[in-house]
Amino acid sequence: AQSVSQHNHHVILSEAASLELGCNYSYGGTVNLFWYVQYPGQHLQLLLKYFSGDPLVKGIKGFEAEFIKSKFSFNLRKPSVQWSDTAEYFCAAYSGAGSYQLTFGKGTKLSVIP
Amino acid sequence: GAVVSQHPSRVICKSGTSVKIECRSLDFQATTMFWYRQFPKQSLMLMATSNEGSKATYEQGVEKDKFLINHASLTLSTLTVTSAHPEDSSFYICSARLTGSSSYEQYFGPGTRLTVT
Repeated sequence: AQSVSQHNHHVILSEAASLELGCNYSYGGTVNLFWYVQYPGQHLQLLLKYFSGDPLVKGIKGFEAEFIKSKFSFNLRKPSVQWSDTAEYFCAAYSGAGSYQLTFGKGTKLSVIP
Repeated sequence: GAVVSQHPSRVICKSGTSVKIECRSLDFQATTMFWYRQFPKQSLMLMATSNEGSKATYEQGVEKDKFLINHASLTLSTLTVTSAHPEDSSFYICSARLTGSSSYEQYFGPGTRLTVT
C-alpha cells in the first residue's frame, strides 16, 4: 500500500526566509503527486500537482516542488515566505487503487513570524 | 470552478442520535466522492469512496453500518453517522473527482465539525 511521509511536523520561519518541506512516497509505479494547503479555518486547496513531464512543478503563490524519482521525493519549496503562508501543508500521492484514491501525509504546520 | 460544499459546517448532537452530512459538487459532476476524517494534528484518513449509483467502498476498520454513505446523484453524497458517540467527534471532509477526468485531482469541501456530547 502507498504511504506518504512528511518529515517535519511544525516549521517556524521568519518572513523572507526560504522554505523547504519534505515529502516522500512509497509507491514504485506511475505516480501522481500533490501538495495541498489548509489555511486556518479554511478547506484544503491545491497548491500544485505533478503527473508527468518536467519534474520541477510550479504552483500558485510562488510555491514549487521537485519530483525526484530516485529519491521517491516531492519536496515543496518557496524562496521567500510571507506571514500569509502560515498554514498546514499536506503532501498526497495517488495510492495505486483503481478508484483514484489519494494517500495523505500527516501534514506540516508552517508558522511564519512577521 | 470545481467548488465543493458541505452542510452543515458545524453540528453538535447528543450521544445516540444520528447526524447527516451533505457533500455537493456545485459546478461539476462527480461520479466519485471521497469521505475523510481528520483528527487534530493528524492527516486526513480516508473513510470511504462513494460512487454514484452504487455502494460505497469502505476502508479497513471503518464500520459501514455506522457510517452510512449514499451517493444518489452526480452532485450529492451524504454521510450519516448513526448512533453517534463522543468518540465519533471529529472533522469530516469530503472531496470530489471530476467525472470523465483522467486526473487524480480531488476538490475538497470545507469540512464539517461534529461534536457528540
